[in-house]
This record gives sequence, C-alpha cells and structure tokens, in this order.
Amino acid sequence: AQKITQTQPGMFVQEKEAVTLDCTYDTSDPSYGLFWYKQPSSGEMIFLIYQGSYDQQNATEGRYSLNFQKARKSANLVISASQLGDSAMYFCAMREGPSGNTGKLIFGQGTTLQVKP
Amino acid sequence: SQTIHQWPATLVQPVGSPLSLECTVEGTSNPNLYWYRQAAGRGLQLLFYSVGIGQISSEVPQNLSASRPQDRQFILSSKKLLLSDSGFYLCAWSVSYHGPYEQYFGPGTRLTVT
Repeated sequence: AQKITQTQPGMFVQEKEAVTLDCTYDTSDPSYGLFWYKQPSSGEMIFLIYQGSYDQQNATEGRYSLNFQKARKSANLVISASQLGDSAMYFCAMREGPSGNTGKLIFGQGTTLQVKP
Repeated sequence: SQTIHQWPATLVQPVGSPLSLECTVEGTSNPNLYWYRQAAGRGLQLLFYSVGIGQISSEVPQNLSASRPQDRQFILSSKKLLLSDSGFYLCAWSVSYHGPYEQYFGPGTRLTVT
C-alpha cells in the first residue's frame, strides 16, 4: 500500500538560509506523482511543486526545489533563502499511478517550519 | 482563472444536529472534486471524491455523506453529528482530463461539534 512519511514534526531555520524538509514514500506502482503543499496558519493549502516519477530532472519553482532520489524513494523539499512568510506547515503528498482520472492523493503528517528573524 | 469557494468558514453545531457544507468551483468544467478532513496538527484524510455529477466514492466509513448535484458543486452532509466529526474540512478540485492532477484547495471550514 502506498505511504508517505515525514519524520520531522518541527524545523527551525534562520531567515535567508536554506532548509530541507524530508519526505519518503512507498509505492509499488512505477508511475506516480509527488507534491508539496504549504499550509499557513490561515488553513488554506497552497500547491508548491510537483515531481513525476518519470521526470529526469528535479522540479524547481522559484525558491522551491524538489530533491528527487528515486532509488531511495525520497522527495525532499528544499527552500532557499528562507523568508519569514515561509513559516507554515508543509505537507508531502503522492498520487499513485495514472489513477485513471481520479487524481487521489495521500498526504504525510506534515512538518512545521518556523523561520527565525 | 479558477476559484474554489467553501462555506461557512466556521461552524459550531451541537451533537445530533445535521450538517451541510458546500463547495463550488468556478472557471473550469468537469473537475474532480474532493473532501478532506484534518484533525488539529495532523495530515489530511480523504473522505470523498467525485469524478462526475452523481458519482461519489467514499474512502472511509463514517457518519458523513457527500453529493454532487451539479458539475461544480460538492456538498458534505451528516444527518446527526458526532463529537468526533469536529475538525477542519477542506474541499479541493483538480482537472480530470490530464495529469499531474494537482489539487487546489478552498479556504476550509472549521467545524466544532459541542
């Protein structure tokens, strides 16, 4: 069965430094997608970045990059030049297979990131 | 552009009362729709998803039901609320015709059952 594991309940980072949030996954399907979402204190989930299992290069979106290590089944989120507004909860999620057209996701338990001034 | 609306934003209901949460999407057609629940400080649990009008799939047995009476409307209901139904409810949508099927979420409803 597919599973997402985020082992860091909480992380601190100094403003302007880079931080890595860990995510490991388990699936037997060769086709899958990995997502990262940000949840500020307001509660809304914000889509950050996506990596497909067949993508040859690591995904990047502005200050966000995804360190995809397929053999290790890890998909860590790297945030460069942290800003105070990056303080939030971050969730890793996985879509297994082409999923027909359901697009169902399973989520990890999340990591709370606090950026210190 | 697409937008997703949820209401109400907060709700306090007594045990045994009915529930109706509504979600609507604008700017797209035939979306996949999803209802999630999030306990405080925890991850999201998928409750229901729908790939079309009248098509509802339930992920976990529970006290809740969902309906999709129109293409871009998704409703979460309960006939009698339990204390354990308290939580943060999020509606989301994704395109249905091609990957990566990233989901976009509404602002959520905080439900407290007393």
